[in-house]
Amino acid sequence: AIQMTQSPSSLSASVGDRVTITCRASQGIGNDLGWYQQKPGKAPKFLIYAAASLQSGVPSRFSGSGSGTDFTLTISGLQPEDSATYYCLQDYNYPRSFGQGTKVEV
Amino acid sequence: EVQLVESGGGLVQPGGSLRLSCAASGFTLSMFWMTWVRRAPGRGLEWVANINEDGSQKNYADSVKGRFTISRDNGRNSLYLQVNRLTAEDTAVYYCARDSNYCDRGGHCYDAFDIWGQGTLVTVSS
Repeated sequence: AIQMTQSPSSLSASVGDRVTITCRASQGIGNDLGWYQQKPGKAPKFLIYAAASLQSGVPSRFSGSGSGTDFTLTISGLQPEDSATYYCLQDYNYPRSFGQGTKVEV
Repeated sequence: EVQLVESGGGLVQPGGSLRLSCAASGFTLSMFWMTWVRRAPGRGLEWVANINEDGSQKNYADSVKGRFTISRDNGRNSLYLQVNRLTAEDTAVYYCARDSNYCDRGGHCYDAFDIWGQGTLVTVSS
């Protein structure tokens, strides 16, 4: 099974900052990677697919990049409502696997 | 409104069973793969299982294989997860999600869990 490793596990930043979350796959997965946001007590929200394609309605301050084994999620111009835990998910093969999550505190 | 609503969670003793349900509305269930994801207390998201449009293909996480069974009834607009031989490790909020295909211009398609339910809590304890 493919292991997905995120870093850091948590971070604290200020409004307007640029933050970057890294996700590393234990083997190459092309660009078969998505990003999800989960706020406390809420269901996850789908943000990005194909490593870099923004889901409709997601603010443009969110962006993704990477391919192969190394991927990043960047939030440019952090907003208070971006406080959440972010997860990467590989959809390259089964079983699907999430990263362990990165908690972002604004 | 496109919506998924889970039910069936609760307190169950170790070794027990439950049947989780997910009611879909606002879209044609039979056109989509569907997925179950769980989040244990203090832990991250864990993919559990998925099922194709007509129920003929199913995939499971290693941690639940042989104990959990995913199924669907498109006529009832419903997805199910039968969970057996439960242990404390299965305590979690269980979410159902629509598993959509997003395809690029080259025809490569990507899975995305684009609609989620609010979750149902399963607690395994004596």
